[in-house]
Amino acid sequence: DVKVTQSSRYLVKRTGEKVFLECVQDMDHENMFWYRQDPGLGLRLIYFSYDVKMKEKGDIPEGYSVSREKKERFSLILESASTNQTSMYLCASSLPSLFGGPSSYEQYFGPGTRLTVT
Amino acid sequence: LAKTTQPISMDSYEGQEVNITCSHNNIATNDYITWYQQFPSQGPRFIIQGYKTKVTNEVASLFIPADRKSSTLSLPRVSLSDTAVYYCLVGDPLDNAGNMLTFGGGTRLMVKP
Repeated sequence: DVKVTQSSRYLVKRTGEKVFLECVQDMDHENMFWYRQDPGLGLRLIYFSYDVKMKEKGDIPEGYSVSREKKERFSLILESASTNQTSMYLCASSLPSLFGGPSSYEQYFGPGTRLTVT
Repeated sequence: LAKTTQPISMDSYEGQEVNITCSHNNIATNDYITWYQQFPSQGPRFIIQGYKTKVTNEVASLFIPADRKSSTLSLPRVSLSDTAVYYCLVGDPLDNAGNMLTFGGGTRLMVKP
């Protein structure tokens, strides 16, 4: 079974803090994704990566950055946390498309990290 | 970018068949249709994916008419544990721009005893 793990289920941080959310997958997937989920807004893509050291902006990248130094690990960084970044953060991984890059093939999601910024 | 439209919520009773329809009028030739299920406090889980006609697996069936402008997820004989949010996504597996990775608001299915 594919396993996607996230470093914390719940996290509470203060405004202005630097926050790291870690995601690890064990299926050697090329693609990894970070989403945030808010009530009434569904899942929104923040960043994705289709290879080590490669990253692409999603729909809402502002206020976030990412790091992918190893294939199995994809980190989401909030440089200076703000209250409007309070949300559920979901990481996912998938196989690549036939010619590289992300794909709409099956994504495997982690359990999520509920981040509260006070 | 193919945008999808689904009902916000649906109610059903145990043992009934549930059909959730998704509209995607601007679907492109190379787009696939994918459905995910999400339980509270969990990440979404892939249910089924198809391109045209009908696809069936052990969990659900996916019906796609010839014009592909809509699709219907069919859940046979639902149980209380099928209460979840169901998302319809449309996208091209070869698209490198990430445009296919758009989850809408989903359909919240409530199964009652």
